Formats: sequence, structure tokens, C-alpha cells
Amino acid sequence: EAGVTQSPTHLIKTRGQQATLRCSPISGHTSVYWYQQALGLGLQFLLWYDEGEERNRGNFPPRFSGRQFPNYSSELNVNALELEDSALYLCASSPVGQNEKLFFGSGTQLSVL
Amino acid sequence: QQQVKQSPQSLIVQKGGISIINCAYENTAFDYFPWYQQFPGKGPALLIAIRPDVSEKKEGRFTISFNKSAKQFSLHIMDSQPGDSATYFCAASWTNAGKSTFGDGTTLTVKP
Repeated sequence: EAGVTQSPTHLIKTRGQQATLRCSPISGHTSVYWYQQALGLGLQFLLWYDEGEERNRGNFPPRFSGRQFPNYSSELNVNALELEDSALYLCASSPVGQNEKLFFGSGTQLSVL
Repeated sequence: QQQVKQSPQSLIVQKGGISIINCAYENTAFDYFPWYQQFPGKGPALLIAIRPDVSEKKEGRFTISFNKSAKQFSLHIMDSQPGDSATYFCAASWTNAGKSTFGDGTTLTVKP
């Protein structure tokens, strides 16, 4: 069974640009979560999507947004990139009815120059 | 409060020793307490988890001890091996919240 897949693995942008990160959940999982992991820090919750709807949002500015597609894949968009947005962005999915159990992908390393 | 505090930040243990990582939480609404293991270049992987109705859970060499009154929980790795060298994160969440709160992580090094 394939795990959570994320693309691209690495992404380099400059300040003010937009970044789009993509995630495919484990087959059968309908919830997708996005977390930011800055260097040396823990994971900060960004967004939760379930059945195509945004269910919960962390303490991040509106320039962090995303969506979930009918096939349950998801994308995270970060507009007006700032230097401090440089981080590892992790996507996770969870089994139906068990949204506390997270299965993570390997992440997208975003570097903002 | 949503904070989860994890200690120590780093830990060095000899092969065969016991590794102990501690976490404390504030929100008594949390009802799920997992530990994740992360290797370099990989995402965190769920290692073991506990709910507050039990005080201890063991899976192989990994044990979670949970103290509800103190709002603390810990991960014990028995017979630590060099392959256990990784970063460990504790977390806390409550059912249907869709949001987990993570500690800042502990980098474990097991020396051969």
C-alpha cells in the first residue's frame, strides 16, 4: 500500500512569489492535514481538509490556503512568500473516523530566498 | 492552552540503555497522546499512542507511561539500539479536532 506522497520534494522561490505544494493521501483516507516544520522546531498545524471541506485552521495568516479535490488529494498554496516561510511542509492523512492517527509523507522542503 | 512541552531537547544513550523522554500538557480535553519517530529526510511515523484511561502501554521495546493527575506522559525505550537514533515527538489531540499539538522534539543518539 502506497503511503502519503508529496511533491515536489524541494522547492525554491523568492520573496513575494507563490508556492504550490501537492499531496496524495493513503488510499481510503479522506482527511488531509498540513503541518509546517521549521528548522529545529516542532510541527505547527496549518490546515485540515475532510471530504473536500476545510474543517480546521491553525494560527497562520490567510496567505496560507489550500483545497482538497474530489479524489481527496490536496494542495497547499502560500502567497506573497516571506523568508520565514522557509520550512519543511508535511502532509498527513488519517483513516476514516480516526483523525487523531496521522500518517505523514516525507514533506516538501520550501526555501524562500 | 494548547501547549505541549517536551524534554530533554537532546539525549545520548549507550547501546542497551534506557532512553526516557518526557512531555507535559495543559489542556485536559486532550484524549489521545501519540509519540512519533522521525528519521532525517522522512516524515514523522506514528510509534505508539495512549489514551488517558490507561496508565501504561507497551509495544515491544517502547512503553508509554501516563500520569493523568500530573498531566504528564513519557516514552521509555528499553534496550536502546543505534537504529533508534532519530528525533522523537510527543503530541496531544482530542477526538474529531483534526489538529494535533506537538512538542518541539527530542534528538536521540544511541552510541554503539
